[in-house]
Amino acid sequence: DTGVSQDPRHKITKRGQNVTFRCDPISEHNRLYWYRQTLGQGPEFLTYFQNEAQLEKSRLLSDRFSAERPKGSFSTLEIQRTEQGDSAMYLCASIRQGSYEQYFGPGTRLTVT
Amino acid sequence: AQSVTQPDIHITVSEGASLELRCNYSYGATPYLFWYVQSPGQGLQLLLKYFSGDTLVQGIKGFEAEFKRSQSSFNLRKPSVHWSDAAEYFCAVVFMEYGNKLVFGAGTILRVKS
Repeated sequence: DTGVSQDPRHKITKRGQNVTFRCDPISEHNRLYWYRQTLGQGPEFLTYFQNEAQLEKSRLLSDRFSAERPKGSFSTLEIQRTEQGDSAMYLCASIRQGSYEQYFGPGTRLTVT
Repeated sequence: AQSVTQPDIHITVSEGASLELRCNYSYGATPYLFWYVQSPGQGLQLLLKYFSGDTLVQGIKGFEAEFKRSQSSFNLRKPSVHWSDAAEYFCAVVFMEYGNKLVFGAGTILRVKS
């Protein structure tokens, strides 16, 4: 499978715990995006990387959120001290240089109890 | 501000009937537009895209969309709906000034009745 993969697919955690999600983009894609999708809404942009550089962060990304893409390949999204409002689907997408067509992974569904 | 509006939250059509899902956008420059489909608990699959040229674009699964600049619209159509088309559909515009991020509408849930 050469598509975008995300791990885990589902995560249930208790409020106050830290969680980390992983995204593996399509191998030749140099840009990687994170989106958050809450129930009944379309995905909302969180942040994006070009290679290993994080170039933009949404105001949705509070100080409890951090994302990395250390070698310009896979990326991680960490949420510290989770809150119930963090419950959502977290989607990752990647894109190759010069293209506008984003390819999405299956998402990680986070439930904070 | 750049935005995408999908006026219909839910649409129900009979199998075999035609379908049109509405999308209006607000964007200062020439928009690059997409339609994605999402099945429950799944990621997004690209149906079709418009960048330039012919304003009627064809996509996968028999879908098409028409770009109308004068109406700021990019409506999705299918002449005959199949039960497997039941899903949620999202219209999106590329925000080129900000790293080509996508701005999505709130989605339209399509139900197909037999």
